[in-house]
Amino acid sequence: NAGVTQTPKFQVLKTGQSMTLQCAQDMNHEYMSWYRQDPGMGLRLIHYSVGAGITDQGEVPNGYNVSRSTTEDFPLRLLSAAPSQTSVYFCASKIGGATNEKLFFGSGTQLSVL
Amino acid sequence: AQKITQTQPGMFVQEKEAVTLDCTYDTSDPSYGLFWYKQPSSGEMIFLIYQGSYDQQNATEGRYSLNFQKARKSANLVISASQLGDSAMYFCAMRRAGNQFYFGTGTSLTVIP
Repeated sequence: NAGVTQTPKFQVLKTGQSMTLQCAQDMNHEYMSWYRQDPGMGLRLIHYSVGAGITDQGEVPNGYNVSRSTTEDFPLRLLSAAPSQTSVYFCASKIGGATNEKLFFGSGTQLSVL
Repeated sequence: AQKITQTQPGMFVQEKEAVTLDCTYDTSDPSYGLFWYKQPSSGEMIFLIYQGSYDQQNATEGRYSLNFQKARKSANLVISASQLGDSAMYFCAMRRAGNQFYFGTGTSLTVIP
C-alpha cells in the first residue's frame, strides 16, 4: 500500500522561483491537507480540502495555492518562493468521522529557499 | 491564541517505566477530535491514538492511552512500559468542527536504559 506519496523529498529554490509540491493518496480519502513544520513550532495547517473541487484556507495560507481536481491528488503551489517558506512540508489525508479518525501523513518535503 | 498547549519541551523516562505527556486544548466546539502523533528522528509522523469529544471512555491503543478530562480540556498521553524505541518527539493535535487541525509544539521524550 502506497498510502500518501509526496514528491520531491528535497528541493532547493531561489527567491522568486515557483514550484509545485505533489501529493497523492490511494486510499480514496475525501479529506486532504498540507502542513508546514518549522523548528519549535509544531505543524501548522496551510490549506485543506474536504473533496474534489473544494479547498479552504488553514492557519498559514499566504504564499501558497492549492487545487483539488481529483480525489487522489492535492498539489501545493508556491507562486514566488521566499526564504520564510523554508520549512518541512507534510501532506496528509484523513479517514473517519466523529467516532474514529486518523490522519495519514506523507514522508515530507524539505524545502530550502535561498 | 494557542489552541493546543504542550508545556513539557523535554521529558526523560527510565526504560520500562510509565510516562505522561501533557496536552491541553482550547475550543468551544461541541464536536472535536484529539490526536497524538510520534515523530522519530527519521521525520515521519506516526499516528498513536485518537479520542473523540463525545467518547465516554479514554482511548487505548496497546501501550498508549489517552487520559481525556473534558472539563479541564486536557488530553494527556500515557505510555506504559517505555521502550528505547519510544524516544522521539510527540505531538498533540486537535481537529475542530470545521476540519481545521491544530498541533502543539511537541514534547521530546528520551528513554534512558
